[in-house]
Amino acid sequence: SQQGEEDPQALSIQEGENATMNCSYKTSINNLQWYRQNSGRGLVHLILIRSNEREKHSGRLRVTLDTSKKSSSLLITASRAADTASYFCASSWASGGSYIPTFGRGTSLIVHP
Amino acid sequence: DTAVSQTPKYLVTQMGNDKSIKCEQNLGHDTMYWYKQDSKKFLKIMFSYNNKELIINETVPNRFSPKSPDKAHLNLHINSLELGDSAVYFCASRDSQGLGYGYTFGSGTRLTVV
Repeated sequence: SQQGEEDPQALSIQEGENATMNCSYKTSINNLQWYRQNSGRGLVHLILIRSNEREKHSGRLRVTLDTSKKSSSLLITASRAADTASYFCASSWASGGSYIPTFGRGTSLIVHP
Repeated sequence: DTAVSQTPKYLVTQMGNDKSIKCEQNLGHDTMYWYKQDSKKFLKIMFSYNNKELIINETVPNRFSPKSPDKAHLNLHINSLELGDSAVYFCASRDSQGLGYGYTFGSGTRLTVV
């Protein structure tokens, strides 16, 4: 299986704290993306990091990528109750000229007000 | 304005029935996908079309048949529905030339087979 794995599966923190989620993948990738899914909704793209990048920022989000360890992390700083959601990483790898996005099972984040 | 829209949002049907889920995107993307999300939130890719051509066909029972009448639409038809088909099905799209952008997902179709 080419799927990625997020860790931890569940995370519960207080508002204002930082939340860190990790993702591991198995094959060489073109890029890695992070998504958020609110309960009962579709996935929303948060950030994409290319295989030649090591760190990327977007607002309160910081993503790192370590291709030697085949892992990535998503840091949400100063978390808010509205950040409560499931977070998925998707590793995108090439197959037959196409890029196949492969998702993990997600990290369920609960931010308590 | 919804970028990727799926219909219906909910679908409850009996075993053995045939049903279709429709997906349309107004983003001008050339690639569309169908994903299945099970009760444990695992997202598994099912199919992908690029400019109406099937490019990804994962191990999916042949009861599932995608159809892409044009690059803005990717429908999913399911024959002889089984209990195990119950899941949330997501349609997604992307611009294959836009390497800096992710995938845009629809809000999902929750299929319940009884």
